[in-house]
Amino acid sequence: DTGVSQNPRHKITKRGQNVTFRCDPISEHNRLYWYRQTLGQGPEFLTYFQNEAQLEKSRLLSDRFSAERPKGSFSTLEIQRTEQGDSAMYLCASSFRLNTEAFFGQGTRLTVV
Amino acid sequence: TQLLEQSPQFLSIQEGENLTVYCNSSSVFSSLQWYRQEPGEGPVLLVTVVTGGEVKKLKRLTFQFGDARKDSSLHITAAQPGDTGLYLCAGIANAGGTSYGKLTFGQGTILTVHP
Repeated sequence: DTGVSQNPRHKITKRGQNVTFRCDPISEHNRLYWYRQTLGQGPEFLTYFQNEAQLEKSRLLSDRFSAERPKGSFSTLEIQRTEQGDSAMYLCASSFRLNTEAFFGQGTRLTVV
Repeated sequence: TQLLEQSPQFLSIQEGENLTVYCNSSSVFSSLQWYRQEPGEGPVLLVTVVTGGEVKKLKRLTFQFGDARKDSSLHITAAQPGDTGLYLCAGIANAGGTSYGKLTFGQGTILTVHP
């Protein structure tokens, strides 16, 4: 399978714990995006990487959130001191060039209890 | 901030009926994409439209991009139960390199087609 891969698919955590999600983009794609989707809403942009450089972060990305793409390949999204409001589907997408189609992974469903 | 207003939010129809979903904005987009999403899964790309006035067909689905590239529509002919799902429009801002290709999504339309 050469699509975008996200792990884990589901994560249940207690409030206050840290969680980390991983995204493996399509291999030749140098652009990687993270989005967050809450129930009944469209996805909202969180952050963008071009290769290993993080070029844009949304105001939605509080200081408890950090994302990395150390070698320009896979990316991780970490949430520290999780809150119930962090419960959502976290989606990763990748694309090859600017303004071309973005392909999404299956997402990581986070539930904070 | 660029916004995409998608309507209707919910659509419940019988098999065989036609339907149209609208996506409107006051802003210009360099391209607009339509996705379909199943519960618990990521969005799957259906089509990308980039030229004002462009019409694309995908079997029973017809997509149109407005002349001014501010709006789009998705029309489904003779809907089938397999068309049930969440339909999302998403635009890439017409802001040159600074848009970074990030997508602005509409709220989505939940379509249910009853047998």
